[in-house]
Amino acid sequence: SQQGEEDPQALSIQEGENATMNCSYKTSINNLQWYRQNSGRGLVHLILIRSNEREKHSGRLRVTLDTSKKSSSLLITASRAADTASYFCATDAASYDKVIFGPGTSLSVIP
Amino acid sequence: NAGVMQNPRHLVRRRGQEARLRCSPMKGHSHVYWYRQLPEEGLKFMVYLQKENIIDESGMPKERFSAEFPKEGPSILRIQQVVRGDSAAYFCASSPVAFRGVRNEQYFGPGTRLTVT
Repeated sequence: SQQGEEDPQALSIQEGENATMNCSYKTSINNLQWYRQNSGRGLVHLILIRSNEREKHSGRLRVTLDTSKKSSSLLITASRAADTASYFCATDAASYDKVIFGPGTSLSVIP
Repeated sequence: NAGVMQNPRHLVRRRGQEARLRCSPMKGHSHVYWYRQLPEEGLKFMVYLQKENIIDESGMPKERFSAEFPKEGPSILRIQQVVRGDSAAYFCASSPVAFRGVRNEQYFGPGTRLTVT
C-alpha cells in the first residue's frame, strides 16, 4: 500500500505555538497534498507540493517534502484556536489514478 | 464559480432501503472521486470516474454499491439494501483534466452524512 501515514495521531498545543505534523508514504508520488477537516465538515484543500519541489509556503503554512525519505511535514506557525481540526495528507502516486489519504492528525489549539 | 455540490447533506435510511448520493463537480472539472469516511477514521477511496466512464473502482465494495457519472447531470453513488455499517460520511471530489499526466488538486464537496437506522 502506498497510503500516507500521519504522525502524531493527535496533537494539543497552546495558541501561539507552532504545530508540526508529519506524513510518510511508501511509493513514488506525483504530488502530495494536505487537507484540513473541521469537525462535521467537508475537507478543505490546503496545499499541494509536487515531487520536484522541496518546500512550499502559504500564509502561516509551510510544507516540506523529502522524496528520499518519502516524508512530508506540515508546519502551522502562530497557531490559533480556529486551526483546531483534523489534518490529512494525501499522496497522488505515480502509478495510480487515485489519491490515497492517511488517517489524519487531530490538532487541538487551546486558547 | 460554485464549488463541488453534494446533496443531500444528511440522509437517513432504514436497513434494506436504497441510498442515492449526488455530486455535482466544479464547472470545467471532468474527474470525480468518491470517498467514504467512517467515524473516527480517515478517508478511504472508493471510485474514480470520468464522464460516462469508471476509471478505477478498486475501493468499492463488490456488492450493493455502484457509481455513475453520466454525460449530463451529477455523479451518483448508489447503495442498495443499506446496512448499519454503511453509516458514514461520503465525500465527493472533482479535479480538472490532467495536465501532462500530473493531476491537479482535488476539490471536495461538503459531504453527505448517511445514517442507517
